[in-house]
Amino acid sequence: SAVISQKPSRDICQRGTSLTIQCQVDSQVTMMFWYRQQPGQSLTLIATANQGSEATYESGFVIDKFPISRPNLTFSTLTVSNMSPEDSSIYLCSVESDSSGYGYTFGSGTRLTVV
Amino acid sequence: QKEVEQNSGPLSVPEGAIASLNCTYSDRGSQSFFWYRQYSGKSPELIMFIYSNGDKEDGRFTAQLNKASQYVSLLIRDSQPSDSATYLCAVITGGSYIPTFGRGTSLIVHP
Repeated sequence: SAVISQKPSRDICQRGTSLTIQCQVDSQVTMMFWYRQQPGQSLTLIATANQGSEATYESGFVIDKFPISRPNLTFSTLTVSNMSPEDSSIYLCSVESDSSGYGYTFGSGTRLTVV
Repeated sequence: QKEVEQNSGPLSVPEGAIASLNCTYSDRGSQSFFWYRQYSGKSPELIMFIYSNGDKEDGRFTAQLNKASQYVSLLIRDSQPSDSATYLCAVITGGSYIPTFGRGTSLIVHP
């Protein structure tokens, strides 16, 4: 199954600044997914990133706040812009484990704290 | 709105016992069901998937699916302290490729 390298693993940021999270996959994948997991909560899908097209955002998430890049089939970035303490969360990228559709693999996550 | 419900727990079981984790879902069109394990501070890890009604066994894990009653469960036999984690249920409906996750059930296996 696919292996994802995600970085940074954690960061503490000042409010009003931006942080870019990177995910590198060891194989080509059509779709990459970005999730947020707040403490004690489930995974919430932020957006789906396809190579060569605009990301598709879920309700409650907008491109100005969470711009996404997908320059090729193995790489994507998520930026958390103009951060506030409410953005403190774990951010995860995910891809299909393999072409059989048997589940999804996650990156190791980025633990973001905004102060 | 698609919903996946899990009891947040914690579910506490003694070492060697069977742990039973349950998940219900609202969308009758759901077709694919997954169980993920998430250790504290780590990302979710896929442990089981099931598509058909009935039981599916993999080592100490058994997934059970009942589409008529809209629930899926995970049984862990001979529970070990290393099984202590949060278990997330995920469901994919027909026509979609994106899973909806439950909030997870915290399992504690005590020696």
